[in-house]
Amino acid sequence: EAGVTQFPSHSVIEKGQTVTLRCDPISGHDNLYWYRRVMGKEIKFLLHFVKESKQDESGMPNNRFLAERTGGTYSTLKVQPAELEDSGVYFCASSSLLGGGTDTQYFGPGTRLTVL
Amino acid sequence: AQSVTQLDSQVPVFEEAPVELRCNYSSSVSVYLFWYVQYPNQGLQLLLKYLSGSTLVESINGFEAEFNKSQTSFHLRKPSVHISDTAEYFCAVTKTSYDKVIFGPGTSLSVIP
Repeated sequence: EAGVTQFPSHSVIEKGQTVTLRCDPISGHDNLYWYRRVMGKEIKFLLHFVKESKQDESGMPNNRFLAERTGGTYSTLKVQPAELEDSGVYFCASSSLLGGGTDTQYFGPGTRLTVL
Repeated sequence: AQSVTQLDSQVPVFEEAPVELRCNYSSSVSVYLFWYVQYPNQGLQLLLKYLSGSTLVESINGFEAEFNKSQTSFHLRKPSVHISDTAEYFCAVTKTSYDKVIFGPGTSLSVIP
């Protein structure tokens, strides 16, 4: 079974540009999460989808970040315009709704975003 | 709200020596507890988890962690480390399996030959 995949693995952009990160969850997983770790800080939650609906977006830092999950499969996270402080590693995770409340979140390899 | 403390940011240890990575959490409700590991240039991997039942949980590569409710701790131990255990280790909690994961700041374990 394929794990959570993320694309690209690395992205280097200039301040003010737009970047779109993609996450493909494990097949059949209805829960999809985005997290990020900025340099030297903790891994922080950004938002949670259940299928195509946003369940919790309390961690989104500001309106420059837009997450979508059309069709309830893969998700994209767009940063527009990117700022220097957006640099970090963006992780995606997924889990199943069918595990009786005990399923684990499985994480992808992350996308390392560098804003110059 | 939950929070996780990992007091040791870096732990150097010689190969084949024992190691303990400390984790304490704060929560007003019952939580699930996890240790995730990130090897160099790789993503986050689940190492072990405590959901309920036996307070001692083990991983396939020799790590174990013990849930101590009275001390609100979930320390990670290994009796003999290998070079390949060099990685960053994150303790984490969540209220339910589908709630957001709250991570500690991480402990960087360096195994010295």
